[in-house]
Amino acid sequence: AQSVAQPEDQVNVAEGNPLTVKCTYSVSGNPYLFWYVQYPNRGLQFLLKYITGDNLVKGSYGFEAEFNKSQTSFHLKKPSALVSDSALYFCAVRDANFGNEKLTFGTGTRLTIIP
Amino acid sequence: NAGVTQTPKFRVLKTGQSMTLLCAQDMNHEYMYWYRQDPGMGLRLIHYSVGEGTTAKGEVPDGYNVSRLKKQNFLLGLESAAPSQTSVYFCASSYGLAGVSEQYFGPGTRLTVT
Repeated sequence: AQSVAQPEDQVNVAEGNPLTVKCTYSVSGNPYLFWYVQYPNRGLQFLLKYITGDNLVKGSYGFEAEFNKSQTSFHLKKPSALVSDSALYFCAVRDANFGNEKLTFGTGTRLTIIP
Repeated sequence: NAGVTQTPKFRVLKTGQSMTLLCAQDMNHEYMYWYRQDPGMGLRLIHYSVGEGTTAKGEVPDGYNVSRLKKQNFLLGLESAAPSQTSVYFCASSYGLAGVSEQYFGPGTRLTVT
């Protein structure tokens, strides 16, 4: 079975400060990991993914995420937060060792950047 | 290039009524998905399709049916709506498998069943 946890429902960060949105996962085999962002009244938008290769993945809008196999984590980071980064962020995982096409999404973390 | 579009944007149904949600994509994607989003539960997969004429069940398929008669369209049907189906429904498409390729999402349909 595959699962993903986002331990924080809400994260508040001052504008200009670094931000981190946490994600941990559980799979039997190797993970494929994704981050999506949802702005109000919109569908989800892809930010970045880890399939294989470098543990540090760079994505859209200056975001990056670090894959840590020993800690089974894939935290989303940005060095300097913008007010426009305020949104709902979802982590998702798929177990690469199983043939299903299903992604499992986390429950989401609401990020608020305070001016 | 409109991406993924969904019709309608909002709908209110009475218990027992039926309706069809339409999803269309203009990116020539093989894979299409229907999700529902409920507060505190993230997105849950209802049904998906790996190509024209194919459909498969996701995590929460009960009470829903789907059809993919054309590659660009994926329809989600509710035959007899229940209050538990009150949710926001998102359609998505991808070039490859969801677990490898990024998905492109539509703007959503907010459904209320009274």
